[in-house]
Amino acid sequence: SQTIHQWPATLVQPVGSPLSLECTVEGTSNPNLYWYRQAAGRGLQLLFYSVGIGQISSEVPQNLSASRPQDRQFILSSKKLLLSDSGFYLCAWSVDWDGTQYFGPGTRLLVL
Amino acid sequence: TQLLEQSPQFLSIQEGENLTVYCNSSSVFSSLQWYRQEPGEGPVLLVTVVTGGEVKKLKRLTFQFGDARKDSSLHITAAQPGDTGLYLCAGPLFTYQGAQKLVFGQGTRLTINP
Repeated sequence: SQTIHQWPATLVQPVGSPLSLECTVEGTSNPNLYWYRQAAGRGLQLLFYSVGIGQISSEVPQNLSASRPQDRQFILSSKKLLLSDSGFYLCAWSVDWDGTQYFGPGTRLLVL
Repeated sequence: TQLLEQSPQFLSIQEGENLTVYCNSSSVFSSLQWYRQEPGEGPVLLVTVVTGGEVKKLKRLTFQFGDARKDSSLHITAAQPGDTGLYLCAGPLFTYQGAQKLVFGQGTRLTINP
């Protein structure tokens, strides 16, 4: 069966510090991978998606970047965090023939 | 501009009551999905509706896809406290790379009071 992991679960970082959030998927090959940000109790905003290793598409201009160094690994990064980067970050995967996305447990980021 | 509009955004009712949540768009979608999210967790897929006019039932939850495939509704019968959560509708958009990305509604926060 497929599983998706995200870490850390919670992170508190000072403004201006770097960020690295990691997402890994097990039990499937060549998945499409996605990073979302969610404001408290609201809908999801797609940040990045990837259809393969090294292929990253950005949906919104922002202070963040994404990388996919391995088939089932997706990383969200920032060189210098802003207060507005605070939020709940969700990673998800899907396969091409089924639009269903399967979400990880999320990382809650608080920038102070 | 929100491609998918959900209403109401907040709903608080008593246990045992019925409710309907709506997801509307001016665009046609090949399918619509409904997710439910608990606090501090990722969304979990409840159902995908594919055919215009389709009705799917999941225990006390009934999902309907509009005939024109521009809207969907979620009806809960005899709501229970365990139904509390954030309900999200989502529709697929195809990227030029061939992947599907989902556009989400802003969600309906449902609270069922004992």
